[in-house]
Amino acid sequence: SYELTQPPSVSVSPGQTARITCSGNALPKKYAYWYQQKSGQAPVLVIYEDIKRPSGIPERFSGSSSGTMATLTISGARVEDEADYYCYSRESSGNPLGGGTKLTVL
Amino acid sequence: EVQLVESGGGLVQPGESLKLSCAASGFSFSGPGVHWVRQASGKGLEWVGRIGSKANSYATTYAASVKGRFTIFRDDSRNTAYLQMNSLKTEDTAVYYCVGGVGTTTSDQWGQGTLVTVSS
Repeated sequence: SYELTQPPSVSVSPGQTARITCSGNALPKKYAYWYQQKSGQAPVLVIYEDIKRPSGIPERFSGSSSGTMATLTISGARVEDEADYYCYSRESSGNPLGGGTKLTVL
Repeated sequence: EVQLVESGGGLVQPGESLKLSCAASGFSFSGPGVHWVRQASGKGLEWVGRIGSKANSYATTYAASVKGRFTIFRDDSRNTAYLQMNSLKTEDTAVYYCVGGVGTTTSDQWGQGTLVTVSS
């Protein structure tokens, strides 16, 4: 298994670009996935295989990965994007989750 | 629609046991494994454990907080994974999610969660 590290919180104003990072030694070889979790709801996939966006996810969500760091970018963040975001490593034999980042948009 | 459906949650007393199920609706499990993740009220997601695929001999790993008390197993003929929880503690109270690949999806699906409450 391998560890994924995220910042506990990120804060932006509406319309600004939010960037949430995820670092881990396995990321050069393993895909990163990103899940959004709003209060009281199950997590929702927003990015898979580093850069791909599922259907129904707004274009303002994008992903990138370079070396040991994956990044979720929300361009023109909206108040409704306020949520917890988790990076995830599908192939981990142990804990697949980063610690989560609380995104505040206000 | 591809989905995972958990069941089996409920109210139990400390020290009791409970078994949760996770059924892959209409499809087979796929991907490298099935995880169980829990979330206590107002807290973040906490990984509980994982069972690998047949290809890696259904190997299991657990978080330290549940090791020796919880067991994960799966029955691929029923497209179902299970979480057997013994010696439950009040701190095990949480919504429990199963997470895994289903069918031809290239990402892991999450179930809707099932609530486990451990209280006297």
